[in-house]
Amino acid sequence: NAGVTQTPKFQVLKTGQSMTLQCAQDMNHEYMSWYRQDPGMGLRLIHYSVGAGITDQGEVPNGYNVSRSTTEDFPLRLLSAAPSQTSVYFCASRLAGQTTDTQYFGPGTRLTVL
Amino acid sequence: AQSVAQPEDQVNVAEGNPLTVKCTYSVSGNPYLFWYVQYPNRGLQFLLKYITGDNLVKGSYGFEAEFNKSQTSFHLKKPSALVSDSALYFCAVRDLHSGNTPLVFGKGTRLSVIA
Repeated sequence: NAGVTQTPKFQVLKTGQSMTLQCAQDMNHEYMSWYRQDPGMGLRLIHYSVGAGITDQGEVPNGYNVSRSTTEDFPLRLLSAAPSQTSVYFCASRLAGQTTDTQYFGPGTRLTVL
Repeated sequence: AQSVAQPEDQVNVAEGNPLTVKCTYSVSGNPYLFWYVQYPNRGLQFLLKYITGDNLVKGSYGFEAEFNKSQTSFHLKKPSALVSDSALYFCAVRDLHSGNTPLVFGKGTRLSVIA
């Protein structure tokens, strides 16, 4: 199993550009989520999904869109990038039906918005 | 609402000494608690978790954590620190009976083990 994979590893954008951060998992996990990590702020939840076709907002959803058309993939879209979105982004997954299940993380995408 | 507090931004310890990284939590029901570790330029790795049962939980790399319900704490410990333990440590919590509500993380504690 590859686990949770994220692409790209690094990205530099200009203000106003759009892009999609990719996340995929091969563990048949229903639950997937996106976090951003900023110094001194820990991990903050952006969006999450409990299964294909179902998404919900987390703590900091503004400026980000998600969709979940398959169990495996959960892309994060930035429609118009802003410098405040400079951060490290992590995707995570786990089984949805068991609240005790461990959450697994991808390696992260480091995004810089100029 | 669920919340986690890690009161120390930084913990310094000499190699070979015991280490403790503190975590307190708040949930309305019974807690489900995690510790994760993040090495430089890497994602988060699972260390250990507490669900129910024995208050002392053993995890990866010789780490353990002690659940204390009366103090609502879940401190991470290791009897003898290694330089390779230097990393960023996150505590996280979910209400055990909350269904699919997300995992809530603390702000992290940076552990520095000095040779």
